[in-house]
Amino acid sequence: AQSVTQLGSHVSVSEGALVLLRCNYSSSVPPYLFWYVQYPNQGLQLLLKYTSAATLVKGINGFEAEFKKSETSFHLTKPSAHMSDAAEYFCAVTRTGNQFYFGTGTSLTVIP
Amino acid sequence: GAVVSQHPSWVICKSGTSVKIECRSLDFQATTMFWYRQFPKQSLMLMATSNEGSKATYEQGVEKDKFLINHASLTLSTLTVTSAHPEDSSFYICSARDWTGGDYGYTFGSGTRLTVV
Repeated sequence: AQSVTQLGSHVSVSEGALVLLRCNYSSSVPPYLFWYVQYPNQGLQLLLKYTSAATLVKGINGFEAEFKKSETSFHLTKPSAHMSDAAEYFCAVTRTGNQFYFGTGTSLTVIP
Repeated sequence: GAVVSQHPSWVICKSGTSVKIECRSLDFQATTMFWYRQFPKQSLMLMATSNEGSKATYEQGVEKDKFLINHASLTLSTLTVTSAHPEDSSFYICSARDWTGGDYGYTFGSGTRLTVV
């Protein structure tokens, strides 16, 4: 079975500080991993995805994530938080492309 | 890039009526589309997988007679909530899958806020 666990349902950072959102996956084989961002009452926007190529994946808006097989992790980072980064972030995993499993989400608050 | 249009963005209906939500892939063909439901402050839960020209595959616990899915063309899937009740109030999101550059791509619609009164 596949699943993802997002540690921390709420994360607060100061503007300009490092953003770190944690995601651990459970999969018997190397999966496809995704990070999505959701603004209030909107759909999901893809930030980045890992598809077994480079382990360090760069996405939009300055976000990046590193696939670490030994730790079964795919944490999302951004060096310097902006106010506009405040949103809900979801980690997701799929192996077959037919079934997506989403984490429970992390709400990011950016403090001015 | 790939765009998925979902309509309506919000709808209020009376209990007992039916509501149809449309999901269109605007610039690509989507053999497979997915329908999700999201409760407030919660994650997305897959309701069903919709394949063009065939019956949808529903997740365990999702009533197929209540949530009717039709995927009659490669660019349109619809979700009809039949005999809606207040407990059906939720945020519904569709996603379309395409194959580009040797990889799957998943594009999400902007969601539909359904309120049943």
